[in-house]
Amino acid sequence: QKEVEQNSGPLSVPEGAIASLNCTYSDRGSQSFFWYRQYSGKSPELIMFIYSNGDKEDGRFTAQLNKASQYVSLLIRDSQPSDSATYLCAVNDSGATNKLIFGTGTLLAVQP
Amino acid sequence: DGGITQSPKYLFRKEGQNVTLSCEQNLNHDAMYWYRQDPGQGLRLIYYSQIVNDFQKGDIAEGYSVSREKKESFPLTVTSAQKNPTAFYLCASSPDRTASPLHFGNGTRLTVT
Repeated sequence: QKEVEQNSGPLSVPEGAIASLNCTYSDRGSQSFFWYRQYSGKSPELIMFIYSNGDKEDGRFTAQLNKASQYVSLLIRDSQPSDSATYLCAVNDSGATNKLIFGTGTLLAVQP
Repeated sequence: DGGITQSPKYLFRKEGQNVTLSCEQNLNHDAMYWYRQDPGQGLRLIYYSQIVNDFQKGDIAEGYSVSREKKESFPLTVTSAQKNPTAFYLCASSPDRTASPLHFGNGTRLTVT
């Protein structure tokens, strides 16, 4: 069974701090990695995607990928209370075309 | 505006009744998906379709059925055979057949009593 693991949290950080969210995956063949943000009662929205080892930055968000360690992370700089949400990590299933495997998500709480 | 429309937002049914959830997209995406989300759990794939008139079972297809007669539409029927149908159902689409970001609809919250 292919899995994506995340710490469920809550991860509590003060406003203005860096929030670090982590994800490990079991499918060594995975090539595509995604971070989604989901507010309570709402649908997930895509924040970042990364395909290559290293860092990818977009505004206050940085995705980091280490395929050798099967590890992907999301850093949120200058965290705001509006960033408080559940963050879902998803990776592609290398054995099935166009299928993603989702983690259970990490709840982030940014304290004002 | 392009997007994915799920209807209704909330749906209530009695146990033993079949119910169909609607999903329509105008993004011209080839692939469409149905996920189920339960409290404290991640998204679990029910069915997906990469092209019209073709679809594949996901990880939890039992008790569900789908059709893909048009590129824009991918309705999900929750049958009476589904043991625990109460959940948040999410429809998604993606632009091509390779692993690419999913775009989600707003979801349908189904309650069966």
